[in-house]
Amino acid sequence: DAGVTQSPTHLIKTRGQQVTLRCSPKSGHDTVSWYQQALGQGPQFIFQYYEEEERQRGNFPDRFSGHQFPNYSSELNVNALLLGDSALYLCASSLRTGVQEQYFGPGTRLTVT
Amino acid sequence: AQSVTQLGSHVSVSEGALVLLRCNYSSSVPPYLFWYVQYPNQGLQLLLKYTTGATLVKGINGFEAEFKKSETSFHLTKPSAHMSDAAEYFCAVKGSSASKIIFGSGTRLSIRP
Repeated sequence: DAGVTQSPTHLIKTRGQQVTLRCSPKSGHDTVSWYQQALGQGPQFIFQYYEEEERQRGNFPDRFSGHQFPNYSSELNVNALLLGDSALYLCASSLRTGVQEQYFGPGTRLTVT
Repeated sequence: AQSVTQLGSHVSVSEGALVLLRCNYSSSVPPYLFWYVQYPNQGLQLLLKYTTGATLVKGINGFEAEFKKSETSFHLTKPSAHMSDAAEYFCAVKGSSASKIIFGSGTRLSIRP
């Protein structure tokens, strides 16, 4: 049973550029959440997708957007990159019902120079 | 609203000694509580969870945590530390009707030989 997968593993971008990160949820899961983890901090919730719609959003600017596909996979897009966007981006999948415990992928390390 | 406070950003214990990582939470509704572990350059792995029922929860790798409503605490313990336990540990809370998980800032556990 494949767990949550993310691509790419590492990414280096320049300020002002745009980036797309990808996530495939654990088999059987229908909900995907994205988190930003800055160095030395806990993960911060960006948004959650269910049924191809953004259901809840954390305190992140509109430069952060996402998408969920019919197969439940998801993308995170960040426009106009800032140095402060450098972080580990984590994807987590869960079932919409019940406790909704989340299973995390290995993350994508984004470095903005 | 929910919040989590982890007391001590760094805890160091000797191999074989008791591990105690402290977590206090705030929640306006009966919470779901989680402990996650993160090894270097990896995603988060669920150690254990509290939803309802028994307040002493057992998890993987010999860890357990006790939900104490009167103290709003959910401390993580392990009777005997092993070198492989060295990692970052995150406590997290989720309101029963909310979609997002709120993480603490993490506690780095070091094990001395």
